[in-house]
Amino acid sequence: KAGVTQTPRYLIKTRGQQVTLSCSPISGHRSVSWYQQTPGQGLQFLFEYFSETQRNKGNFPGRFSGRQFSNSRSEMNVSTLELGDSALYLCASSLESRWFHEQFFGPGTRLTVL
Amino acid sequence: SQQGEEDPQALSIQEGENATMNCSYKTSINNLQWYRQNSGRGLVHLILIRSNEREKHSGRLRVTLDTSKKSSSLLITASRAADTASYFCAHPTSNFGNEKLTFGTGTRLTIIP
Repeated sequence: KAGVTQTPRYLIKTRGQQVTLSCSPISGHRSVSWYQQTPGQGLQFLFEYFSETQRNKGNFPGRFSGRQFSNSRSEMNVSTLELGDSALYLCASSLESRWFHEQFFGPGTRLTVL
Repeated sequence: SQQGEEDPQALSIQEGENATMNCSYKTSINNLQWYRQNSGRGLVHLILIRSNEREKHSGRLRVTLDTSKKSSSLLITASRAADTASYFCAHPTSNFGNEKLTFGTGTRLTIIP
């Protein structure tokens, strides 16, 4: 079974631009979560989607948004990029929407904002 | 912040020795999970222990959970160079019906060959 894939793996953008990251979950998984990882803040939860609906949301500004498609693939978008958005963005998939199951993580997208 | 803490922040041991990492959390939990992350990569799930379990084993890994002290520990026995990684504990948290998986600050483990 193929693992979670994320594209692109690396991205360089400038302040003010927007960016879209993509995540393909493991086949059969309907829950996709997104996390931001930085040296200062650690792993922070962004949001979780299940069956095309956002079920849970972290404490991030509205510049961070996401969506999930009918095939469970998910995208997250960050508008008006700031220097502080430089981070490793991880997505994870799971069988269900509750946190009773292990999360399968992708390799991440390294975003650098200049 | 609901974020848990892990100690030590960093740990260096000789190959073959045992490594113990601790995790403390602040809220009541349903389960606690441990993950490993190799340098700048995705996380790999290691083990999940439920709140009604006190100890769980998986290969060279042993996890304990003490809900009265709100703490957990991960023991890696007979360490290998490939165990060099960061280790995170994580547990579900809920805030007004909004649920998420909250990660600890992590322990960076270095195995010296």
